[in-house]
Amino acid sequence: QSALTQPASVSGSPGQSIAISCTGTSSDVGGYNYVSWYQQHPGKAPKLIIHDVSNRPSGVSNRFSGSKSGNTASLTISGLLAEDEADYYCDSYTSSSTWVFGGGTKLTVL
Amino acid sequence: QITLKESGPTLVKPTQTLTLTCTFSGFSLSTTAVGVGWIRQPPGKALEWLALIYWNDDKRYSPSLKRRLTITKDTSKNQVVLTMTNMDPVDTATYYCAHRPEDRGIRGFDSWGQGTLVTVPS
Repeated sequence: QSALTQPASVSGSPGQSIAISCTGTSSDVGGYNYVSWYQQHPGKAPKLIIHDVSNRPSGVSNRFSGSKSGNTASLTISGLLAEDEADYYCDSYTSSSTWVFGGGTKLTVL
Repeated sequence: QITLKESGPTLVKPTQTLTLTCTFSGFSLSTTAVGVGWIRQPPGKALEWLALIYWNDDKRYSPSLKRRLTITKDTSKNQVVLTMTNMDPVDTATYYCAHRPEDRGIRGFDSWGQGTLVTVPS
């Protein structure tokens, strides 16, 4: 199975909204509502920010939201803050009954 | 509070077998729909999903690494062990274990260990 496709980098100014895409196939993203998103700051372990496409774990800011259309899932961050600068990864359940991560996206807050 | 911690060698020679242990607290791997997984991250690169074991001993492996991986659990010790055979320099990475609370409807890893860097010299 191939890694899900994410843009290598995105950027935005404080207060703006940005979206990060995660593109797969009908055998993963498009076939199941089991997409998660993780935020990872340098030198730290990843943190779950979205699960099951659009659900936020307790304690995660409502500035983070997730959606899916066809084979592409998206993470939207509104009201960008400097602390949102990090790497973001998606993952999805697959038809092989396993999971696959995306290649990661580096978010820069200008 | 859920905590996980990875332990094992920091240096493994090529062709050797890596054995990593994840010791956790704050949950039980005998609870229905709970799982523990392993994920790795080469320096400066993306996360890679490796393996997952569920409360009922259901095991899942990355298709590309399946031949080299074995995941087991010891519920009484609150531990999950991952072995990877025939280590190669490309396997140099930080290895994480993580909790998967599908019992709460969360199909994602909601708690992670700090990770352990394993180096395979060339």
